This record gives sequence, structure tokens and C-alpha cells, in this order.
Amino acid sequence: GAGVSQSPSNKVTEKGKDVELRCDPISGHTALYWYRQRLGQGLEFLIYFQGNSAPDKSGLPSDRFSAERTGESVSTLTIQRTQQEDSAVYLCASSLDVGFPNSPLHFGNGTRLTVT
Amino acid sequence: ILNVEQSPQSLHVQEGDSTNFTCSFPSSNFYALHWYRWETAKSPEALFVMTLNGDEKKKGRISATLNTKEGYSYLYIKGSQPEDSATYLCALGGGSQGNLIFGKGTKLSVKP
Repeated sequence: GAGVSQSPSNKVTEKGKDVELRCDPISGHTALYWYRQRLGQGLEFLIYFQGNSAPDKSGLPSDRFSAERTGESVSTLTIQRTQQEDSAVYLCASSLDVGFPNSPLHFGNGTRLTVT
Repeated sequence: ILNVEQSPQSLHVQEGDSTNFTCSFPSSNFYALHWYRWETAKSPEALFVMTLNGDEKKKGRISATLNTKEGYSYLYIKGSQPEDSATYLCALGGGSQGNLIFGKGTKLSVKP
């Protein structure tokens, strides 16, 4: 069956440009998460969605980062005026529901963002 | 702010050795503890999700235990194989808290 799909898989952009990353979760999964991993670091929580709402945006590093989700499906993570410190692998994951205690996360293959 | 600690940071073992690593977390307001395996060039893959104090889960040669009162979980690998080489992540959270907070992982290398 289809897993979590992320696009693009790789993105190289110039400093100052805006980028948009896309995540297609597993069908029927109401919870969707964005994480990133910068070089040599662990998985850093950015934001999660329950349905189309984002109860916790506390992980977004700055106001240049925003995310939305529509139709309880696709989510986009937008980074405006990219900086070199934004270079990272951005991972999306989905799960059945945040309220299901035994529901694991299913991860996509990530988007590797390089800001030059 | 939740703090999930994993130790050791890295581990090198010989094929056939058994090994274990630790995930430590605050014991208050516990909801669920997850373990994931992250192989190079792949995405993290769920191993276990545990919710009850005293939980023990097993998948093949890999098993995990949970102590929510003292705030730790152990992951055991029996008879390590080269294909077990990966970073093993634990994560805490879920429920009303929603977000899952990951530790920095234990990187396991198994030499043939």
C-alpha cells in the first residue's frame, strides 16, 4: 500500500528564496507531523496537525516557517527567505490519530534542503 | 520542555554480541514511548509503541521494556547482525500533548 510521500526529495535553493515542501500522508491518518534533522543533530520537532488544525506550533524555529494542511490530507511546509541554517532533511510522518496510544508514526523519505 | 535522553550515543559491537541501550524520560504525565530504527538512506521505521508500566515487547531478536515510574526504557538486541546497524531512536509523547519528542538516538554499528 501507499506510504507517506514527500516531494521534492532534494531541493537546492539560494539564500533568500522561498521554498515549499509537500507531504502526502497515508490515507485515513488524521495526525501529521513535521520534523527536521540538521547535520549532526537529532530529530527536531517542528509542528503537528490533528486533522486540519495545528494545536502545537511551538517547534517552528521562526516566523519564516509556516505550515498548513487541507482536507485532512496534504500538508505543505513553507520556508520564506531561506537561510543557510535552514539546510536539513525535513521529514514528514503520519499516524492514525494522536489520541490512539498505540499508533506509531509512519515516515516519508524526507526532503533534503540545501540553502547555498 | 520534555527532555528525552538516550545512551550511549554510539555503540560498536561484533556480530553475535548482544547489546542494549537506554532511553530516559520524565516520569510525569506519561502517555506513550516509541522506539524507531533509522537505517542510513532510509526513513525511520517503527519498532515498538509502549504505554503501560512493565510493558515488554518483542520482535524477532529485538525486545524492549518500559518503566514509567522511574522514567526509562531499555532496547535489547540479541545476537547482533550487521543488518542491525542503524540509529535507534526513542520518542515520548502523544495523547493530549500530541507531539512526539525524540531523543538524539543511539548509533549501532555491528562488525561482521
